[in-house]
Amino acid sequence: GAGVSQSPRYKVTKRGQDVALRCDPISGHVSLYWYRQALGQGPEFLTYFNYEAQQDKSGLPNDRFSAERPEGSISTLTIQRTEQRDSAMYRCASSLGPEDVGGYTFGSGTRLTVV
Amino acid sequence: AQRVTQPEKLLSVFKGAPVELKCNYSYSGSPELFWYVQYSRQRLQLLLRHISRESIKGFTADLNKGETSFHLKKPFAQEEDSAMYYCALSAYTGRRALTFGSGTRLQVQP
Repeated sequence: GAGVSQSPRYKVTKRGQDVALRCDPISGHVSLYWYRQALGQGPEFLTYFNYEAQQDKSGLPNDRFSAERPEGSISTLTIQRTEQRDSAMYRCASSLGPEDVGGYTFGSGTRLTVV
Repeated sequence: AQRVTQPEKLLSVFKGAPVELKCNYSYSGSPELFWYVQYSRQRLQLLLRHISRESIKGFTADLNKGETSFHLKKPFAQEEDSAMYYCALSAYTGRRALTFGSGTRLQVQP
C-alpha cells in the first residue's frame, strides 16, 4: 500500500479481554517494528521482524504480549487478558530492510483503552 | 543500554526567534541519531538523521560525541514548526531498533 496502515484506529476493551492489533506495512518493506507509547512519553520498543522472522522481542513487557508476521507482510500484535496499564498508543513502523535502521515510516497508530 | 534524554517537555518561542531543542544520549559505542516530528493530527515522521548531514525545513542537527548531544536547531522559527519532536538513537550492535526520548513540544507563537 501507499503507507503503513494500522487497524483499528481506536479500541476500547474491558479488562480481561484479548485484543488483536493489525499492521499492514508498505509493500516490499522487509522490516516491521512495534512500539508502545504512553501519554507524555516517547515510543517504547516492543518487537521487530525481518520478513516473517521475529528478530527481537525483548521489549515485550510480559508473556501476555505476542506478535506474529506469518507471511512476511501483515503483522498482528496480540494482548491477552488486557489490564488497565496496557492502555496506550500502539505504533507500527516499517522500513526497507535491516540496514535502513531509523528510516521508519510509521502508521497512524491504534489507541487502546482498557476499562 | 542506550538512553535518550530530552530535558524540556515544552519549548515556547515567538515566530522568527531561534530554536534549539536539546537531546542528550548515553551509549558506549558509536550511535546513529535521528529526529522525528509529529505535527497535529499527523503521523510520526522522520525529520532528519545525522549521517545525512542535511537541512530539512531549515532544521539542522550536529552530533557532538564529546558532549553526547544531538541538538536540533533552526535560526528562525515559523508557526508551522509547532509540533512534537522526538530524538532517537540506533545502536550498531545489540538492539537495532530505535530508542526514543520522551519528546519536546515546540510552540511557535505569532
